[in-house]
Amino acid sequence: ETGVTQTPRHLVMGMTNKKSLKCEQHLGHNAMYWYKQSAKKPLELMFVYSLEERVENNSVPSRFSPECPNSSHLFLHLHTLQPEDSALYLCASSQEVVGGGDNEQFFGPGTRLTVL
Amino acid sequence: AQKITQTQPGMFVQEKEAVTLDCTYDTSDPSYGLFWYKQPSSGEMIFLIYQGSYDQQNATEGRYSLNFQKARKSANLVISASQLGDSAMYFCAMRDGTGGFKTIFGAGTRLFVKA
Repeated sequence: ETGVTQTPRHLVMGMTNKKSLKCEQHLGHNAMYWYKQSAKKPLELMFVYSLEERVENNSVPSRFSPECPNSSHLFLHLHTLQPEDSALYLCASSQEVVGGGDNEQFFGPGTRLTVL
Repeated sequence: AQKITQTQPGMFVQEKEAVTLDCTYDTSDPSYGLFWYKQPSSGEMIFLIYQGSYDQQNATEGRYSLNFQKARKSANLVISASQLGDSAMYFCAMRDGTGGFKTIFGAGTRLFVKA
């Protein structure tokens, strides 16, 4: 595997379900990100981890719970979601520790989530 | 507050011609970075080009160049010799250069390349 991978690619869940999204980066990067991309809205940053420590939490509802067990893996645990949470969830990584640099982010293909 | 504006929801260009995608930004920070990403229908965002606020020259990467006009707070992407594979969504993004990981994105422009 190369780059950033995400599983599953598609997920349909009911509002009472619990599911997890997985992201893995094979680039040796230090920072990992979760973004939400809804129709007709700009990409929204949800969480950022640097060296496995959460450094950004962008006022995301508690029904989304991130986990970063090591610098290569990032999870997004989902529970009691709402239909408006249906979106494309993108994971990204970058080679930086403190942010603010010129390092581009490398994105995975995303998980298309549908909440019924 | 930082803001990115892309005013062109959709653009058409003839294959082999050049096209300019507009991006304006607003920030009070003296140091910042500007990025352009491409998102094909497959969903994966692909980095294209970067411009730092203190860079004296416009960035170029192959067929991509960034027309950076700092006083006007604009960072337009120019794609030369358009190809059918350039059909995609294009996003302008900005990051505060003084630290922090937050990157804000514009709403995007969908580019259609006609044969």
